[in-house]
Amino acid sequence: GAVVSQHPSWVICKSGTSVKIECRSLDFQATTMFWYRQFPKQSLMLMATSNEGSKATYEQGVEKDKFLINHASLTLSTLTVTSAHPEDSSFYICSAEPPGPSYEQYFGPGTRLTVT
Amino acid sequence: EDQVTQSPEALRLQEGESSSLNCSYTVSGLRGLFWYRQDPGKGPEFLFTLYSAGEEKEKERLKATLTKKESFLHITAPKPEDSATYLCAVLFTGTASKLTFGTGTRLQVTL
Repeated sequence: GAVVSQHPSWVICKSGTSVKIECRSLDFQATTMFWYRQFPKQSLMLMATSNEGSKATYEQGVEKDKFLINHASLTLSTLTVTSAHPEDSSFYICSAEPPGPSYEQYFGPGTRLTVT
Repeated sequence: EDQVTQSPEALRLQEGESSSLNCSYTVSGLRGLFWYRQDPGKGPEFLFTLYSAGEEKEKERLKATLTKKESFLHITAPKPEDSATYLCAVLFTGTASKLTFGTGTRLQVTL
């Protein structure tokens, strides 16, 4: 149980274009989903927290107009990187929190974004 | 500021050589401590949750323990397939669901 998928697993795009990454909880409903970014050999950096049906909460320093997050259903959240630039190249990982008091987060396999 | 520190940064073991990884945190109120395993190019895989001092969890060759200021991940008789980065994350009180991650311990187990 507690499986989270991400699509695509990797994507290459040209500078100035937008890219959408999907995160799905496959066997549970997630009222809260999270988006992280990870640089090589570094730990995870939380970008934003999204709750189903409401606006995402962004961490300090994360541009909400560049990283658009939509949590339209209890099993799907999307991250859109708008007008991507080479510095946006990174490993993006989502996680989902099942309902209940465990506070456990289950992570997707990640999406490698390369902007050329 | 709430902080999570993991040590060592990297650890190289021979197969069968048991050891422990450490995760220490600032004692400002803990709601949960989580251990994850991350393989290169993959998302973190959930291992354990600990909620209170004295609690222990086991899974195969791994055992996680928790005190009031730190957690240990004990690896007994490791195998090469245990090679990975082990991440510790803490949910502090007053931070909603936001996890604070340590920088991880890169474990390499050789034959």
